[in-house]
Amino acid sequence: DQQVKQNSPSLSVQEGRISILNCDYTNSMFDYFLWYKKYPAEGPTFLISISSIKDKNEDGRFTVFLNKSAKHLSLHIVPSQPGDSAVYFCAATARDSNYQLIWGAGTKLIIKP
Amino acid sequence: KAGVTQTPRYLIKTRGQQVTLSCSPISGHRSVSWYQQTPGQGLQFLFEYFSETQRNKGNFPGRFSGRQFSNSRSEMNVSTLELGDSALYLCASSQLAGTYNEQFFGPGTRLTVL
Repeated sequence: DQQVKQNSPSLSVQEGRISILNCDYTNSMFDYFLWYKKYPAEGPTFLISISSIKDKNEDGRFTVFLNKSAKHLSLHIVPSQPGDSAVYFCAATARDSNYQLIWGAGTKLIIKP
Repeated sequence: KAGVTQTPRYLIKTRGQQVTLSCSPISGHRSVSWYQQTPGQGLQFLFEYFSETQRNKGNFPGRFSGRQFSNSRSEMNVSTLELGDSALYLCASSQLAGTYNEQFFGPGTRLTVL
């Protein structure tokens, strides 16, 4: 069973506009969430994280929102730039899984000029 | 500072063979984790080593094993290869134990099993 779901395999956004990537989870015990970005032929790189005690975390153009009641988080990128074209992975972890990271399948973001 | 390196980058094996993949973490990093990525799937956690001890293990059969050396370098071994083992194998290192800490990934080893 997929505990972390990224239901959009791909997303196309105009340069300069907002990109919103979504992630849903089923395990209510998850207490820490991370986003990683992956370019082709490279390993993922850490982007931003959020603890379950917060509902928002911001880092420059990147903001992650957490809605615990809906078991949903989203990553907002404003404004979107060509270099943001990549695959974005959402990952979650919980104390009851010994803090093992559970990853979503990824969303491919394409920024159009 | 040099990044995480993985060797080899590409590997072709046949069913029933075994394979060993190598990972050199960033200098000073004592935690090394291994992941399997297949098309359309997220990363599946294999195991994490910290200071030569396996700290955590994912849901993979015993054919998948690993170890970590005193210099923090790590190897992953897969015995009796199956077609379904074809995947990108990623290694990640971090300073602290626990995959919830920021991890730094290598480029991966692409394993093809024929």
